[in-house]
Amino acid sequence: AQTVTQSQPEMSVQEAETVTLSCTYDTSESDYYLFWYKQPPSRQMILVIRQEAYKQQNATENRFSVNFQKAAKSFSLKISDSQLGDAAMYFCAYRSGRNTPLVFGKGTRLSVIA
Amino acid sequence: GAGVSQSPRYKVAKRGQDVALRCDPISGHVSLFWYQQALGQGPEFLTYFQNEAQLDKSGLPSDRFFAERPEGSVSTLKIQRTQQEDSAVYLCASSSGRAWGELFFGSGTQLSVL
Repeated sequence: AQTVTQSQPEMSVQEAETVTLSCTYDTSESDYYLFWYKQPPSRQMILVIRQEAYKQQNATENRFSVNFQKAAKSFSLKISDSQLGDAAMYFCAYRSGRNTPLVFGKGTRLSVIA
Repeated sequence: GAGVSQSPRYKVAKRGQDVALRCDPISGHVSLFWYQQALGQGPEFLTYFQNEAQLDKSGLPSDRFFAERPEGSVSTLKIQRTQQEDSAVYLCASSSGRAWGELFFGSGTQLSVL
């Protein structure tokens, strides 16, 4: 079974600084999708960024970027120029196909210090 | 609708009561997922529908949990004889079913069993 591990229960960052959230996963599949979701106190999961495993180029969305290391099964999220609105729970998630559910990690709570 | 809608937002039940949680997915989305999220944890998969067919219910924790989607749109998650360990946020997500289909989440129903 696929598993997703987030080893940092909590992280903090100064406003305008950069922070990296870690994620590792375990799978025997060769093709899959990886995601980072943000969950603010409103509880609604918001997609931050996604990566297809067959793409070697790391995904980037504005201030958010990933470091995807397929051989190491690592998928970290970098947030640049952190803003107060970035404070939330961040979940790493894995999906092996269009008809399969997302498998989530336990999450990392990010605090942003003004 | 514009997004995934879940109701009620909060539900308090006495132990032993039956509850029904509703999910109204994005119009036209064929895939629908239910997740259970305990406090401070990542979402755990419960069950998956493609249209009206329940293709995977491997995550349902017991036979007290039942889900349906009779017309391939609105879905209901029913929990019979609720117990304290059922207290959690129940999230619903839908997707178009395409290979890259992003899961769109509702804001969840927070169930408290007293």
